[in-house]
Amino acid sequence: NAGVTQTPKFRILKIGQSMTLQCTQDMNHNYMYWYRQDPGMGLKLIYYSVGAGITDKGEVPNGYNVSRSTTEDFPLRLELAAPSQTSVYFCASSYSVLAGAQYFGPGTRLTVT
Amino acid sequence: GQQLNQSPQSMFIQEGEDVSMNCTSSSIFNTWLWYKQEPGEGPVLLIALYKAGELTSNGRLTAQFGITRKDSFLNISASIPSDVGIYFCAGQLDLNNDMRFGAGTRLTVKP
Repeated sequence: NAGVTQTPKFRILKIGQSMTLQCTQDMNHNYMYWYRQDPGMGLKLIYYSVGAGITDKGEVPNGYNVSRSTTEDFPLRLELAAPSQTSVYFCASSYSVLAGAQYFGPGTRLTVT
Repeated sequence: GQQLNQSPQSMFIQEGEDVSMNCTSSSIFNTWLWYKQEPGEGPVLLIALYKAGELTSNGRLTAQFGITRKDSFLNISASIPSDVGIYFCAGQLDLNNDMRFGAGTRLTVKP
């Protein structure tokens, strides 16, 4: 099993550009999450999903959108990239809402200049 | 929002030494977790604590859930070079709440 995979690994965007960060899991987990990690900071939750067709905002959702059309995929969309969105983005999935059940992907490092 | 304060920010130790790091919060959590993150990878769960006062070990790692539910510590005994990484604490109040993460402790182990 591949677990949680994320693409791309790295990306540089110009201000105002848009892009989609891809996340796929092959563990048949219902719960999926997007976090961002800024330098010297802990992870902050952007959006999460409890199942296909259901998404909800986390702590820092502004500037992002998500969709969950299948159990496996949970893409994160940036419509108008801003320098404040420079960060490392982690996707995670879990079989439960219980803390500690989340498996994290390897991350996407995004720079907006 | 709930803030987690993790200390120290960084540690430089000699191989074989023991390590201790801790995490405190201004509000209570009912679950405490410790993760390790290596360069270019996502966090990996080391230990999960679900009960106040609980002391749990995972090999050379030991973590405790503080009695007040506002703190937790992680000890690593007899450190080795592969212990290098960033260690994060995280807390969750209940199943209706997100996890909150500390800023991490960066550990460097000198052979």
